[in-house]
Amino acid sequence: GESVGLHLPTLSVQEGDNSIINCAYSNSASDYFIWYKQESGKGPQFIIDIRSNMDKRQGQRVTVLLNKTVKHLSLQIAATQPGDSAVYFCAETGGFKTIFGAGTRLFVKA
Amino acid sequence: NAGVTQTPKFRVLKTGQSMTLLCAQDMNHEYMYWYRQDPGMGLRLIHYSVGEGTTAKGEVPDGYNVSRLKKQNFLLGLESAAPSQTSVYFCASKTGTLYGYTFGSGTRLTVV
Repeated sequence: GESVGLHLPTLSVQEGDNSIINCAYSNSASDYFIWYKQESGKGPQFIIDIRSNMDKRQGQRVTVLLNKTVKHLSLQIAATQPGDSAVYFCAETGGFKTIFGAGTRLFVKA
Repeated sequence: NAGVTQTPKFRVLKTGQSMTLLCAQDMNHEYMYWYRQDPGMGLRLIHYSVGEGTTAKGEVPDGYNVSRLKKQNFLLGLESAAPSQTSVYFCASKTGTLYGYTFGSGTRLTVV
């Protein structure tokens, strides 16, 4: 079946370093991918998205890379800050529904 | 703008009781969704709506019902609560298929 997964359930980085969170997806027909951030006790928050006709998109301190050949998605966070500590979900969308991965917890060490 | 508002934020139910979770959005979004989130698991879709008066089943619809009588509101009902329905429930909305969600802050439901 269709699934979206994450390679690492937890990631610990030093403040100021760059973070990379990876995600694999299985549905080659998905045409839209999103990264969400969820802080403790809050709802997921949209970070950045990318459409299937692109391979890279940059935001403020974040970059999403899409490799359709190997069905891989990554989120890069530059100069990671304590406020970046959260669970990050990747998600793929095709039509009306979105499939979420289980999430990666990012810890930022001061 | 408030975005997506969920009420209540917390609720404890006894097995067999019923309740309705309320979701309201003020962004004029067509699509609305109810998800549940359990520890160690991703968000799982319960029901969704692609417009006023329409609803559809998601991945885990059993034990839940929904209604979308007004475009801005999406209600999730539990007719006879079970301990397996203990979870955090999120409502979300979006304006179109190739857009991200705006999520509410969640309702933490415990069924004892």
